[in-house]
Parts: sequence; C-alpha cells; structure tokens
Amino acid sequence: DGGITQSPKYLFRKEGQNVTLSCEQNLNHDAMYWYRQDPGQGLRLIYYSQIVNDFQKGDIAEGYSVSREKKESFPLTVTSAQKNPTAFYLCASRAGGPGELFFGEGSRLTVL
Amino acid sequence: GEDVEQSLFLSVREGDSSVINCTYTDSSSTYLYWYKQEPGAGLQLLTYIFSNMDMKQDQRLTVLLNKKDKHLSLRIADTQTGDSAIYFCAADGNYQLIWGAGTKLIIKP
Repeated sequence: DGGITQSPKYLFRKEGQNVTLSCEQNLNHDAMYWYRQDPGQGLRLIYYSQIVNDFQKGDIAEGYSVSREKKESFPLTVTSAQKNPTAFYLCASRAGGPGELFFGEGSRLTVL
Repeated sequence: GEDVEQSLFLSVREGDSSVINCTYTDSSSTYLYWYKQEPGAGLQLLTYIFSNMDMKQDQRLTVLLNKKDKHLSLRIADTQTGDSAIYFCAADGNYQLIWGAGTKLIIKP
C-alpha cells in the first residue's frame, strides 16, 4: 500500500548525541516536510523539500539538518545543538502545490 | 504573518453536535483543511473546502466557510466516543500549510 513510513516510532537519546529519524514515502510525491509537535502548540515546520536535491529551512530549523538525495527519502537529523529536542516529530508529503498532505505515524524522541 | 487560530479544547456530550471553530488571516488561501489526530498517531485529512465554496457536507461532517470574516467551522453531528481526538484547521500558504494549534475534542458520556 502507498504511504509514508517513519522510523523509529520511539527513540531515546542521551544529551550530546545526534540522532537521525527516517522518513520514506512511496507515493511519488515531490514535496516532503518535517514538523515538530509539542503539546498545545500545533505543528511547527522544521524543514521542507519541494524537489530532490533541494530543501529549505522552515520556522524552527536551528539544531536540525536534512538531506534529499532520493525522491522517496527525507531523513531528519536532530543534532546536539538542538536545545530542547524532546518532542513528537511528523513527516509529511504531497504531490506539489495545494492539496492534501499525507502524514507518517510520527516518531517520539525523548532526551534523557 | 499568516496565522490560523482555534480554541484548544471543546467538551460535548455523546450524541450532541460538536462545532469546532477556526479563524485565519490569509485571504488568498485556495484550500482550507480539517485534519484529525488520534493519540500518538499522525494526522489524517478529515475534509477540506475550496475557497469559493460556502459549505461542504460529508456524512456527519459539515464545513462552513465565511470568507468575509475568514472563519471556518467544522460541525460533527451525533458525536461519538470515536470522535475523541485533536482537530487541526489548516490553510494553504505560499509553500506550506499554516496550522492552527489544534482543538482537543472531549466526549462526555
């Protein structure tokens, strides 16, 4: 079935460690997005990519990095520079332009 | 900048109608969306309305759009326990969706 797969679903990290969250889609979508969700704050955009080999910073990109080497994949690295990384991370994609955004099931990162 | 606002909580009795409200600032948004998020999961598109429509109905769901006031509402008829979730309003921006903070719908027995 077509969709977006995020992994891992739960991740624990010690302070000072980098961690990479995986996002893979088989919907043939051009655009992919990473959001961070904190309670009561809705979704905040970290990075987005509208085409392979290109990506743009969103509203809260500091302490995060991404790559878009393949159309299907848009991994997010949470670096040690991110001061408060404990959150629920959501990956999404869409075909391009206005239209439905498809979401993965999310990855919950906890920093110990 | 562009903004979408919605109240954080709504409590209704099972069987009653739920009305979740949203206001937005970008009058050029082509589509306006309602997404549903169940605990610990991603978001799923519930319904959407094109900006030149006033109303859209889909089974128990009714979306009303007042472009003049930039007000969007989602009515859920005969609210059930399975409707308990967070409901997000979103509007099309330049390159992304602009999201409200989400309204948590609480169902009382």
